[in-house]
This record gives sequence, C-alpha cells and structure tokens, in this order.
Amino acid sequence: EAGVAQSPRYKIIEKRQSVAFWCNPISGHATLYWYQQILGQGPKLLIQFQNNGVVDDSQLPKDRFSAERLKGVDSTLKIQPAKLEDSAVYLCASSLVRAGGHTQYFGPGTRLTVL
Amino acid sequence: AQTVTQSQPEMSVQEAETVTLSCTYDTSENNYYLFWYKQPPSRQMILVIRQEAYKQQNATENRFSVNFQKAAKSFSLKISDSQLGDTAMYFCAFMPGSSNTGKLIFGQGTTLQVKP
Repeated sequence: EAGVAQSPRYKIIEKRQSVAFWCNPISGHATLYWYQQILGQGPKLLIQFQNNGVVDDSQLPKDRFSAERLKGVDSTLKIQPAKLEDSAVYLCASSLVRAGGHTQYFGPGTRLTVL
Repeated sequence: AQTVTQSQPEMSVQEAETVTLSCTYDTSENNYYLFWYKQPPSRQMILVIRQEAYKQQNATENRFSVNFQKAAKSFSLKISDSQLGDTAMYFCAFMPGSSNTGKLIFGQGTTLQVKP
C-alpha cells in the first residue's frame, strides 16, 4: 500500500513570494491533515479536511495561508505572501476516519526555507 | 486547553540497554488517546505505540511499551534492547476523545541517540 505522498520535498523562496505544497493521502483515507513543524518543536495542526470539507482550521493563519482538497483526495496548501517565520517542515497526514483514536499516517514532509 | 510536555530534550543510551522517555499531559477529559511517534533523521514520522485512556492495561509493541498512569497524567515510553535504528526524535501526542476532529496535540519531542 502506497503511503502519503508529498511534493516538493524542499523549497527555498524569498520572503513575500508565494509557494504551494501538494499532498496525496493513502487511498481510501477520508481525513487529511496539514501540520506545521518548526525546527525543534512538535507538529502543530494547521487544517483538517473530512473528504472535501474543512473540519478544523482554527490555527491556520488565514491572511496568508489557504488550503483546498478538491474532489476529496489530493490537497494543496498555499502560502502567499511568505514570511521568515513560515520556515518549517509542512507535514501532511491522513487517516481512515477522523476520530476514535485512529492512526494518522504521515508523509515525508516539505521543508520550506524563507530567506 | 490540552497540553503535552516532554521534559527531556535529549537522551542517549547504549545499544542493547533500556531507556525510558517521559511525557506528561494536561486535560480535563476522561476519554482520550495517547500516542508515541518516531521521527528518524530526514525520514517520515511513524507510529510507535498507541494507548486508549479507558484501558488500564499498558500497551506493548515488541520492544516498546508504555507506562500509562492516568491519575498522574503520565505516559512514558520504554524501549528495551535499544538498537541503532531507534535513533530518532520521539514525540508524545494526545488526541481528545470527545472532540470529533481527531486533532493530535504534540509535545516538543525528545531526541534519542543510541550509541554502539
């Protein structure tokens, strides 16, 4: 079974530029999560989708971050414009269902450096 | 708000020995789930072990076991017969049971180095 796929693996941009990350979850997983992991810290949830609907985006900086999951499969996370403090690893995860303690499976992440 | 605290930023252990990583959490809920995730250098995060709060029995997975103390809100991970491949960052995580979101709340992580 294929795992969670993410691209690109690495991205370097200048501040105020825009960037987009792509995630393809495990086949059949209805729930998709985007986490932000700043160096030396644990991941923090940015947004969660159930199929193509948003369940939780309370910690998403909506003035610059946006995300979508069209057709309930792939998802894209965008930052526009980027700030220095956005430098982090962006992790995508998926699970079969969203509650009940179901295991979340993580992708390899996209490491973003904002200069 | 729920929080997870890992008080050991770094730990080391000799190969074949046993090591215990600490984790405490704060919640007012009675039903929840606890996890330990492993993140090897430059590799993706994988689940090590999972515990349901309503189960008194401590979870075990081969060389990995937990000591779940619900009243003390403590959830430590014991790695027996440590192997070089266990070198990684380990995250303790909490998932509310009452919430319908499945949101994971992570601790700051403990970097474990297994020495030959």
